[in-house]
Amino acid sequence: NAGVMQNPRHLVRRRGQEARLRCSPMKGHSHVYWYRQLPEEGLKFMVYLQKENIIDESGMPKERFSAEFPKEGPSILRIQQVVRGDSAAYFCASSPQRPSGPTDTQYFGPGTRLTVL
Amino acid sequence: QKEVEQNSGPLSVPEGAIASLNCTYSDRGSQSFFWYRQYSGKSPELIMSIYSNGDKEDGRFTAQLNKASQYVSLLIRDSQPSDSATYLCALRFGNEKLTFGTGTRLTIIP
Repeated sequence: NAGVMQNPRHLVRRRGQEARLRCSPMKGHSHVYWYRQLPEEGLKFMVYLQKENIIDESGMPKERFSAEFPKEGPSILRIQQVVRGDSAAYFCASSPQRPSGPTDTQYFGPGTRLTVL
Repeated sequence: QKEVEQNSGPLSVPEGAIASLNCTYSDRGSQSFFWYRQYSGKSPELIMSIYSNGDKEDGRFTAQLNKASQYVSLLIRDSQPSDSATYLCALRFGNEKLTFGTGTRLTIIP
């Protein structure tokens, strides 16, 4: 009964370092979404990926952030040269397919809490 | 600009009473609506989904959707202390991503 898996669960980086967050979707799911939640705020969409393809990256900051979902292995959200403002919880969600019905939903992982010192 | 608005609370409700959470949205093209519950330090957990006007009931939870007035609400009957959490309203505007409100913090008072 493996759900969406994310690692690490907690990540501490110093300013200027790189952060790599990993997400393994639920078994049978081929679509991955990344969301960011700043302290005391709601979740903000960042990027939507299918295997080897970025579907929608309208929520990604223009610089320092990138995401991939290779044919094999987990999805990776990469943040280069982190700054204190990147400190947040990063959640990954997955779905089995592109939503074809109004209630097709996404299942969330436990999140990675990034702290930038 | 697509927006989802929720009263941030905190909303305090006595145990056993009905908790009413509300959400308004600005885009009439919205198709699907979701309520997630999030405990402190945890990930969002889906409570209800609704896409047709009217009420949808699941146990102690009832979701209400009024597309003409552009609001969606969540009622929690017989509130329990374990219902204390932040409730997030989310919409899908016809593409794949979810757009969330900032959440309403609910506290059930024993």
